[in-house]
Amino acid sequence: AQSVSQHNHHVILSEAASLELGCNYSYGGTVNLFWYVQYPGQHLQLLLKYFSGDPLVKGIKGFEAEFIKSKFSFNLRKPSVQWSDTAEYFCAVYINTGGFKTIFGAGTRPFVKA
Amino acid sequence: EPEVTQTPSHQVTQMGQEVILRCVPISNHLYFYWYRQILGQKVEFLVSFYNNEISEKSEIFDDQFSVERPDGSNFTLKIRSTKLEDSAMYFCASSEPFRPEQFFGPGTRLTVL
Repeated sequence: AQSVSQHNHHVILSEAASLELGCNYSYGGTVNLFWYVQYPGQHLQLLLKYFSGDPLVKGIKGFEAEFIKSKFSFNLRKPSVQWSDTAEYFCAVYINTGGFKTIFGAGTRPFVKA
Repeated sequence: EPEVTQTPSHQVTQMGQEVILRCVPISNHLYFYWYRQILGQKVEFLVSFYNNEISEKSEIFDDQFSVERPDGSNFTLKIRSTKLEDSAMYFCASSEPFRPEQFFGPGTRLTVL
């Protein structure tokens, strides 16, 4: 069955620290990968996406992610976090098996201390 | 910039009542989706819709749920007889033909009492 696993459901770090959120997916076909961010009380916002090409993708707010096909991973990174990065981050994979759907991970909530 | 809109933003209903959640997808999009997020949990896929029929649905999307595109602009999710466990945030999304990037609406918070 298709699934997305996110590690480190809760992370605490200080401002200016580096952040890496893990994501692994389980699907053998062509994948399109996304990271979304959800600030408290708000809806999903797209951080970045990978469809094909350069496996290192850059998104908004200084985030980047690397697709490693052999590891079925799509980890999110930010070199220096800010207090305002406290939010829920969802990794997601879009798959086409005749029908179309996006499968989300359980989310990771880093808490950035000011 | 075009965006997906949803109404109402918050719906409160009694258990057993029918609710209809409305969405207006982006105008040139042809694929439509509903997702839900129970408080504190992950976003779950419910259904995708293309060419006036369901493309894929999850096991959550049982006979109590239905979707419809009643006109050229709206996309609705109906829950026939709501249960307490239907309380969640419901997100609508749409995408262009053959493009995987989905654009999400702000959500409707459904509270079943």
